[in-house]
Amino acid sequence: KAGVTQTPRYLIKTRGQQVTLSCSPISGHRSVSWYQQTPGQGLQFLFEYFSETQRNKGNFPGRFSGRQFSNSRSEMNVSTLELGDSALYLCASSSTGIAGELFFGEGSRLTVL
Amino acid sequence: AQSVTQLDSQVPVFEEAPVELRCNYSSSVSVYLFWYVQYPNQGLQLLLKYLSGSTLVKGINGFEAEFNKSQTSFHLRKPSVHISDTAEYFCAVSESSGTYKYIFGTGTRLKVLA
Repeated sequence: KAGVTQTPRYLIKTRGQQVTLSCSPISGHRSVSWYQQTPGQGLQFLFEYFSETQRNKGNFPGRFSGRQFSNSRSEMNVSTLELGDSALYLCASSSTGIAGELFFGEGSRLTVL
Repeated sequence: AQSVTQLDSQVPVFEEAPVELRCNYSSSVSVYLFWYVQYPNQGLQLLLKYLSGSTLVKGINGFEAEFNKSQTSFHLRKPSVHISDTAEYFCAVSESSGTYKYIFGTGTRLKVLA
C-alpha cells in the first residue's frame, strides 16, 4: 500500500510569490490534515478536510488556504509569501480523522527568500 | 483550549540506558494522547496511543507510556535505548469529542550516545 505522497519535496520562492503544495493520501483515507513544522515551534495545525469539506482550521492568516478533491487528494496554497513562511509542510491522512493514527508524508520544505 | 508541553528540548543518553521523555497536557475535556517519532528527513510515525482503558500503553520498538490523569501527563519510556532510537519525539493530544485537530508539543530530540 503506497504511503502519503507530497509534492514537491523542496522548493524555493521569493517574498510576495504564491505556492501550491500537493498531497495524495493513502488509498481509502478520506481525512487529510496539514501541519506547519518549524524549529522550536513543533507542528502547528493548519486545517483538516474530510470528503471535500473543511472540518477544522488552525490559527493561520487567510493567506493559507486548502482544498480537497473528490479523490481525497488535497492541496494547500500560500499566497503573498513572507520570510516567516519558510517551513516544512506536512500532510497526514487517516481513515476517519478521530482518534485514528495519522499517516504522515515526508513533507514539502519551503524556503522563502 | 488544549496545549501540550514537552519541557525537554534535548535529551542525551548513553546506549542501553533507560530514558524517559516527559509530556504534560492541558485540556478542559477528555482527550486522546499520542506519541510520534520523526527520523531525519522523514515524516512522523505513530509510536503509541492512549484512547481509554489501561493507563499503561505499549508501542512499537519497545516504547511504553503511562497516562496519569491527575498529573495530566503522558510520559514516554524505554528501558534500554539503541543508537537507532536517535530521533525527534512528539507528544500530541486530540479531543475525544472529535475536533479533527491534533495539538503537538514542540518535540524532544533524543540523542543516543555510544
